[in-house]
Amino acid sequence: GAVVSQHPSWVICKSGTSVKIECRSLDFQATTMFWYRQFPKQSLMLMATSNEGSKATYEQGVEKDKFLINHASLTLSTLTVTSAHPEDSSFYICSARDDGLGTYEQYFGPGTRLTVT
Amino acid sequence: LAKTTQPISMDSYEGQEVNITCSHNNIATNDYITWYQQFPSQGPRFIIQGYKTKVTNEVASLFIPADRKSSTLSLPRVSLSDTAVYYCLVGPMKDSSYKLIFGSGTRLLVRP
Repeated sequence: GAVVSQHPSWVICKSGTSVKIECRSLDFQATTMFWYRQFPKQSLMLMATSNEGSKATYEQGVEKDKFLINHASLTLSTLTVTSAHPEDSSFYICSARDDGLGTYEQYFGPGTRLTVT
Repeated sequence: LAKTTQPISMDSYEGQEVNITCSHNNIATNDYITWYQQFPSQGPRFIIQGYKTKVTNEVASLFIPADRKSSTLSLPRVSLSDTAVYYCLVGPMKDSSYKLIFGSGTRLLVRP
């Protein structure tokens, strides 16, 4: 089945620094990937849609200058949290959509736990 | 987007059948119903998807009445490992512009 990986699985960074999270589709090409964040005991919140070769589309209320998204290839999207603060600590989950068969199924990565100290 | 309503939490015991109902009164003609499962600190996992009547796979069954205003996810003979959050999503899943928007989900606790 389709597999999506994320790296790292967890990261601790100091306040003010930037951290990059990678999302890869391992066995299919993904023109479109999505980034979610999830706080403890809460649901997933869609942050942005990552489009290969073009700018990401951000959901209302998500700061595009703070959460930089780059979808440089059909198998890789990256999310960079710039100038991280403790309130950015969260569980970040990506998903990749398989457009190959026209079913637009989305496959989720295992998530990345970010802790900002 | 169709708004969904599902119970916040449910308790069950090992070996029992669990039915989780989702209400989606304003479901549109092109909308499909999809259920995801999420374990703590993991990404969601697709369980089942349907459009009408009944769908069954090796994990669960999905029952959808004729009016499609609700759906029921049925988990047969649950085990402790089925403890998770279950999300009901309704939308035009076959539309390339559709984005998965998650509601609050149902937190299922399976007790020994």
